[in-house]
This record gives sequence, C-alpha cells and structure tokens, in this order.
Amino acid sequence: KQEVTQIPAALSVPEGENLVLNCSFTDSAIYNLQWFRQDPGKGLTSLLLIQSSQREQTSGRLNASLDKSSGRSTLYIAASQPGDSATYLCAVDNAGGTSYGKLTFGQGTILTVHP
Amino acid sequence: EPEVTQTPSHQVTQMGQEVILRCVPISNHLYFYWYRQILGQKVEFLVSFYNNEISEKSEIFDDQFSVERPDGSNFTLKIRSTKLEDSAMYFCASSVFIQSKQYFGPGTRLTVT
Repeated sequence: KQEVTQIPAALSVPEGENLVLNCSFTDSAIYNLQWFRQDPGKGLTSLLLIQSSQREQTSGRLNASLDKSSGRSTLYIAASQPGDSATYLCAVDNAGGTSYGKLTFGQGTILTVHP
Repeated sequence: EPEVTQTPSHQVTQMGQEVILRCVPISNHLYFYWYRQILGQKVEFLVSFYNNEISEKSEIFDDQFSVERPDGSNFTLKIRSTKLEDSAMYFCASSVFIQSKQYFGPGTRLTVT
C-alpha cells in the first residue's frame, strides 16, 4: 500500500528565502507525482505535475524534482513571498494493476512566509 | 481558465439523512473523481468515474455512497444515510485523461449533526 510522507510538517521563513519541501513515497511504481497548494478552507490548486519519466518540472519560482528509484520528490521555492503562505501537498498516482487516477496524498507542509 | 465548481459550499445535515453533493467538472474532461478530507487529516481518494461507470473505489466508498453523471455537465456524490464520521470536506476533481493533471473544485464542507 502506497504511503506518502512530507517533511517538515511546518516551516516558517522570512520573506526572500529559498526553501525546499520534501516528499517521500514507499512504492516507486508511480505514473506521476503532483504538487498542490491548499489555502485555509479552500480547494487544491495544482502547481506542478512530474511524469515518472521526468526528473524535474519548473513553473516560475517553483521547481519540482523527482527521484523515482529512491521514492523522493522535492519542491523548491525561490525568493519566497508572504503570498506563498499555504499548505503544500504532494500526491502520487500509482502505476500498475487497476489504478485509475487514484491519488495518494501526503499530510502536507504548512508554510508561513513572514514579511 | 476553466474551473471545477461545487455546490453547496457548506451543507449541514442530521445523522441518517441523505445528502447529494454536486460538481460541474471542466467541460472537455473525461475522468471524474471524489476525494474527502476529514479535518486535520490527509486528503483521501473515494472514487473515480469514466464513461458512466465507476473505474475504481476505495474501501471508504461503501454501499452508502453512490455517484452519478445525470446529464452532460453535472457529477454528483450521494450519501444515503449520513453518519457523524462523514463530516468532512468533499472535493470533486476532473482530468482530461487518466493519469493527467487533476483539477480540483473548492470543496463542499459537510457537517453531520
């Protein structure tokens, strides 16, 4: 059974810092990995999707990497801003068997960027 | 940019009552999903749906739950007889293809009293 873990559970940084959020998964047989942002009481906004054949994806100040064999992904946020404050979730889509887009989520990292 | 929409945003119901949560997926998407998030816990997969059939469901999705696409635009989740432990945020999602990016709606907060 796939298990997804995110470290740290919470992170507080001053504005302007570069930071790294970590995600690990127990079963390396995945189709893809998605990073989401969740604001309090709101839905999930997809940030980046990395296919299993890819090593990284970039969008603006965000860069996500994937090391499928070791079961790890990182989300790098450059020059953090107070508007980046949110919970960041990673989710994996398992390959094989009869998986039909079922995402398995981590518990999230709560990020606070203070001015 | 097209969005997934969900109604209502908040639903309060009494234990044992039936509820229907509604979603309008993005119009050209073919795959539809329901997830839930109990307060303070992980987001959990409930069910995936394609071509008017359930593709996959989790162990949470028991006989009390059902999904339907009654017309070309709506996708609904019905809980037949709600329990206190069904209180959660319910998210609908859709994707163009299986294993492509999933787009989530804003959620319906269900409170069972």
